[in-house]
Amino acid sequence: AQKVTQAQTEISVVEKEDVTLDCVYETRDTTYYLFWYKQPPSGELVFLIRRNSFDEQNEISGRYSWNFQKSTSSFNFTITASQVVDSAVYFCALSEGETGNQFYFGTGTSLTVIP
Amino acid sequence: DGGITQSPKYLFRKEGQNVTLSCEQNLNHDAMYWYRQDPGQGLRLIYYSQIVNDFQKGDIAEGYSVSREKKESFPLTVTSAQKNPTAFYLCASISDRVNTEAFFGQGTRLTVV
Repeated sequence: AQKVTQAQTEISVVEKEDVTLDCVYETRDTTYYLFWYKQPPSGELVFLIRRNSFDEQNEISGRYSWNFQKSTSSFNFTITASQVVDSAVYFCALSEGETGNQFYFGTGTSLTVIP
Repeated sequence: DGGITQSPKYLFRKEGQNVTLSCEQNLNHDAMYWYRQDPGQGLRLIYYSQIVNDFQKGDIAEGYSVSREKKESFPLTVTSAQKNPTAFYLCASISDRVNTEAFFGQGTRLTVV
């Protein structure tokens, strides 16, 4: 079974629109961490955020915000007023347990921001 | 600057040949990982190593081999036994085993010709 599901394969928005990328995870551990990464066309994965399972506070960083809801096992990512530079593939990931020595990645969402 | 360096960026291989992808990090990280990325399939774990001279198979280790003789280096060999090696390969490292974020290299795109 897929531990991290990103149901949206591709999304296109017009510049300045808001967009939300969905991430649903599955784990039986009480301690786990969730991550979002951005993969621009250059290929390198760029770390965006980490959230542990005990911290359900939403977080905002500039135009980026994250909504963590344990009740629905979701960790959604919203980009406000999207820009062309936001065009990339975005991955959600999970690491489990106290040692967390393995990451489980979703299949990614390809975001295209149209000028 | 600290980081992870993968080389080469593009690699072409003839069928039946082994090829080695380089991954070097100067972040003093203990754990290193190799992932394979195919379109629509996200990242799949090939091998990982938590300490020098020790490594474990990931989900798709068949046809691959690794070594970890030095903390800084974790090369991946794609052998002729790998039936479909054309893919994008990413190397990553983390500072310890307690759920910190992984740092990634820029990847190597391998094409079998």
